[in-house]
Amino acid sequence: DTGVSQDPRHKITKRGQNVTFRCDPISEHNRLYWYRQTLGQGPEFLTYFQNEAQLEKSRLLSDRFSAERPKGSFSTLEIQRTEQGDSAMYLCASSPPAHNNNEQFFGPGTRLTVL
Amino acid sequence: EDQVTQSPEALRLQEGESSSLNCSYTVSGLRGLFWYRQDPGKGPEFLFTLYSAGEEKEKERLKATLTKKESFLHITAPKPEDSATYLCAVLLNTGGFKTIFGAGTRLFVKA
Repeated sequence: DTGVSQDPRHKITKRGQNVTFRCDPISEHNRLYWYRQTLGQGPEFLTYFQNEAQLEKSRLLSDRFSAERPKGSFSTLEIQRTEQGDSAMYLCASSPPAHNNNEQFFGPGTRLTVL
Repeated sequence: EDQVTQSPEALRLQEGESSSLNCSYTVSGLRGLFWYRQDPGKGPEFLFTLYSAGEEKEKERLKATLTKKESFLHITAPKPEDSATYLCAVLLNTGGFKTIFGAGTRLFVKA
């Protein structure tokens, strides 16, 4: 399968713990995005990478959140000292490098529950 | 403030009953507008990209149109399998790739 994959699919953690999610984009897609989605809402933009460079970051991404894409391939999103308000679906998407081809292809998401 | 608003929040149709979903946007600059379909517990699935006013795209029973202030997703003779949440998203023309999504329209099609 050549789609975007995310791991884990579900994560249950206790408040105050750290969690890390992984995203593997479609191969040769140099653009990668992270979003957060809560029930009944559309995805909220968190951050964007082009290759290994993190070019945009939402104000939603507090200092407890950090994202990396060290070799321009897979990416990780870490949340430190989780809070109950962090419970959400975390979505990753990727786009190819072609000019004007801005379609984003989404993974299945990681559902985080903070107890 | 950049904003994308979708209406209605929910729409219930009988099979075969055509209708339209609306996406209105107020943004500093639009580079492109996207429509996605999302099934429960899954990531959004790409449907269409529209880049300029007057543009139209079609796929099976779906047709997307774009004006300077809004986009419509027309559903012709829907089937129960078209039941899903339809999301509209705007790619901002701010030099980057920030994308703003609407809250979606939940479509229920009854047989």
